[in-house]
Amino acid sequence: NAGVTQTPKFRVLKTGQSMTLLCAQDMNHEYMYWYRQDPGMGLRLIHYSVGEGTTAKGEVPDGYNVSRLKKQNFLLGLESAAPSQTSVYFCASSPRGDSGFLNEKLFFGSGTQLSVL
Amino acid sequence: GQQVMQIPQYQHVQEGEDFTTYCNSSTTLSNIQWYKQRPGGHPVFLIQLVKSGEVKKQKRLTFQFGEAKKNSSLHITATQTTDVGTYFCAGPVDRIFGNEKLTFGTGTRLTIIP
Repeated sequence: NAGVTQTPKFRVLKTGQSMTLLCAQDMNHEYMYWYRQDPGMGLRLIHYSVGEGTTAKGEVPDGYNVSRLKKQNFLLGLESAAPSQTSVYFCASSPRGDSGFLNEKLFFGSGTQLSVL
Repeated sequence: GQQVMQIPQYQHVQEGEDFTTYCNSSTTLSNIQWYKQRPGGHPVFLIQLVKSGEVKKQKRLTFQFGEAKKNSSLHITATQTTDVGTYFCAGPVDRIFGNEKLTFGTGTRLTIIP
């Protein structure tokens, strides 16, 4: 099993350009997440999905859109990139908890380093 | 704003010394998780604590969950170079669709002086 795979690993954009980050998981997980990591800020949730066809906003959703057309894929889009979106982006997935009240552990991809000039 | 705080932000220790990082939440947590991120890597799950006052050990790592379930700590005994990395706590501060999403702490970056 590959686990969680993110593409691309690195990308440089000019301000105003658009791009899509792809996340794929082969663990049949229900939940998928996009986080961004900035120095001193930890991991902040951008958007998440609790199932195919569903998405929801996280802590810092502005400037991003997501789609989950297939259970195994979760796409993160930047329509008009800004320098403030320079960051490391991590995708994660987790199974649905049996009890519904506890989180299951997250499995992370290897990350995408994005620079916006 | 950040609802899960971690201190310290950085810690430099001599190899063989102990290390502790603390995690505090503004709300009571049903559970707390700890992750480790090696330099240049991605976060990897270490452990989950569920019960009030729970203590779990993994070799030289000791994890505690506070009695009020608002704080947690990770203690490493006799650090080794393999312990280098950033340690994050994460807890569910919001509920959605009957399930909970995790909010991560700001992390503690541990460096080891050989």
